[in-house]
Amino acid sequence: NAGVMQNPRHLVRRRGQEARLRCSPMKGHSHVYWYRQLPEEGLKFMVYLQKENIIDESGMPKERFSAEFPKEGPSILRIQQVVRGDSAAYFCASSPSGFSGNTIYFGEGSWLTVV
Amino acid sequence: GENVEQHPSTLSVQEGDSAVIKCTYSDSASNYFPWYKQELGKRPQLIIDIRSNVGEKKDQRIAVTLNKTAKHFSLHITETQPEDSAVYFCAASATDTGRRALTFGSGTRLQVQP
Repeated sequence: NAGVMQNPRHLVRRRGQEARLRCSPMKGHSHVYWYRQLPEEGLKFMVYLQKENIIDESGMPKERFSAEFPKEGPSILRIQQVVRGDSAAYFCASSPSGFSGNTIYFGEGSWLTVV
Repeated sequence: GENVEQHPSTLSVQEGDSAVIKCTYSDSASNYFPWYKQELGKRPQLIIDIRSNVGEKKDQRIAVTLNKTAKHFSLHITETQPEDSAVYFCAASATDTGRRALTFGSGTRLQVQP
């Protein structure tokens, strides 16, 4: 039973380019969460999605960032026109559908470096 | 929204001693409180969680306590070992409302000295 799969694990982008990070949830999980972790800091919530639906995007920057979780395929976090401050680890997590208190499981993360 | 505060930010203990990390939360609707351990360059991994209908939960050397009235919860690690050295994060969520995403504390860097 594969865990949460993220790719790429490491990504280098020049300022102004686009970064696309992918996340495939655990089998049977339909809820996906994206978190950002700056070096030496905690995990900051970005967005919570279910299939074809954004449930909570209160942590997403207003510009340049978007996320989707299509009916088929992985969830994608897209960062347009990247800046140095976007350099961080981006963690995806997933949980099963339904009831209260479901544990979320993290992927290995995607480390974005903007040069 | 929810705000989770975590203390201390760093903690150094001798091998064999106990370590205690404390968190407070602001949203009385929060009902799920997991703890994650993160080693350098790795993903956060769940080590224990507690739901609001219990006050304490134990798993071998790890225990978590919850005081809903005071809105705080704590992680206790007994007989610490060098491999316990990592950053520990507490988190809270209100899973019965629309807000199911976890809000994390700022982390505690635990160093166990051999």
